[in-house]
Amino acid sequence: VQLVESGGGFVKPRGSLRLSCAASGLTFTNAWMSWVRQAPGKGLEWVGQIKSKTDGETTDYAAPVKDRFTISRDDSRKILYLEMNSLRADDTAVYYCTTLYGGPGDDYWGQGTLVTVSS
Amino acid sequence: DIQMTQSPSSLSASVGDRVTITCRASQGNRNDLGWYQQKPGKAPKRLIYATFNLQSGVPSRFSGSVSGTEFTLTISSLQPEDCGTYYCLLYNDYPRTFGQGTKVEIK
Repeated sequence: VQLVESGGGFVKPRGSLRLSCAASGLTFTNAWMSWVRQAPGKGLEWVGQIKSKTDGETTDYAAPVKDRFTISRDDSRKILYLEMNSLRADDTAVYYCTTLYGGPGDDYWGQGTLVTVSS
Repeated sequence: DIQMTQSPSSLSASVGDRVTITCRASQGNRNDLGWYQQKPGKAPKRLIYATFNLQSGVPSRFSGSVSGTEFTLTISSLQPEDCGTYYCLLYNDYPRTFGQGTKVEIK
């Protein structure tokens, strides 16, 4: 199984960025997928989650990103997305996509992609 | 929202020492928790799921327990490769909540 994030980079405050996470070797269609971020030198912060289509493809978000970030998925291409708008300096972080699975079996994480919000 | 308070924030121990890290949940009586280890520059790795269960491939010196709303990760005999930062994660509510992290160093 591989999760490979892309799309990170530098963006100015109030700008937008879209991150992608390409999955391989995973039954992506059935997976609930999450984004977790880590600001430089700080701890892990859950960003949000999208359920599988069969479970309604519903999304949940952390309060700091709600109404600014949107998680979506393309099951045909096995890609998870994180659309980030109205970016702020405190959104600067490494963003990981992950299954963040709570049950038995394996739990998968990507290598992370760095987003830097700075003028 | 349930808050998680993880302690200590850091610790230094000798090889062979027994090490415990705790996470206290602000509420709930059927909390479901995981423990993660993170090495610098790497993604986290799950050690324990569903409070007690050892992830496949993780050494048996790692164990998880709970008493009320206080969850504990125990390393029975600290090894040099166990240095890193450890996080708890509460699964059974939204938003998902990580503990603040415990940095483990070897003396």
